[in-house]
Amino acid sequence: GAVVSQHPSWVICKSGTSVKIECRSLDFQATTMFWYRQFPKQSLMLMATSNEGSKATYEQGVEKDKFLINHASLTLSTLTVTSAHPEDSSFYICSARDGEAPPIGPGELFFGEGSRLTVL
Amino acid sequence: DAKTTQPPSMDCAEGRAANLPCNHSTISGNEYVYWYRQIHSQGPQYIIHGLKNNETNEMASLIITEDRKSSTLILPHATLRDTAVYYCIVRVGGAAGNKLTFGGGTRVLVKP
Repeated sequence: GAVVSQHPSWVICKSGTSVKIECRSLDFQATTMFWYRQFPKQSLMLMATSNEGSKATYEQGVEKDKFLINHASLTLSTLTVTSAHPEDSSFYICSARDGEAPPIGPGELFFGEGSRLTVL
Repeated sequence: DAKTTQPPSMDCAEGRAANLPCNHSTISGNEYVYWYRQIHSQGPQYIIHGLKNNETNEMASLIITEDRKSSTLILPHATLRDTAVYYCIVRVGGAAGNKLTFGGGTRVLVKP
C-alpha cells in the first residue's frame, strides 16, 4: 500500500534553533499534504494544509512565520519549526492525499510515522 | 465536519470482541463515518469507513444505525496489538473531506 515517510523520526535541538521535518509520499503523488501536532495524551491538532506549488493554509492560532511549510513537489512537503522553544516540543505528523485515488475510501489519505521533536 | 462523541477509554479482554461506540447525531447526508487508530508513538492508521450500510474488512466491522446518528466499530477478536487510541471521524468524501478533524478518541487497552 501507499507509504508516507517522515524524517527524522525524532530530533533533539537547542532552544532558538530551527528544525526541518520532511514528509515524503513514496509511491504516489500527493496533491495535498497536512501537518498535525500532538501533545502527550492529547489528540491530533491540524496545523496547516499545503497544496503543491501554492502557499499553505494555516489553522487558526498557528503562527505561519513560526511553522514554515513548503510543498515544492508532489512527493515532498517540509515543516520548519523556526526558533524552536521547549513549548514546541511535540509529535508532528503529516498526512498526504493521493491525487489519483478514488475520492472515497482508504486509498486517499495516508499518515506518516510521526516526528518527535524535543527542544531543550 | 460533524462532531463525534466517544467514551474516553475502555478495556477489553484478549480474544474477545471489542465494541467501540461513537455518537454522531449531527451527521449530514453526504458525510461518511471513518475509523482510524493510533498505536502509541505512531501515525494514525485507517481501519474502515461507511456511509449507510454495515461494512466489514479484514480488520474490523462497522455497524451504522439506520438513522446514522451513531455507529459501532467491532474488533472481532481483540489482540494485545490492538491496544491503541481509536478515532471515529465523520467527513465528506473526496477532496472536500481531506481535512480530518480528530476528537478525543477512545483509548482501548486489551488485557491478557
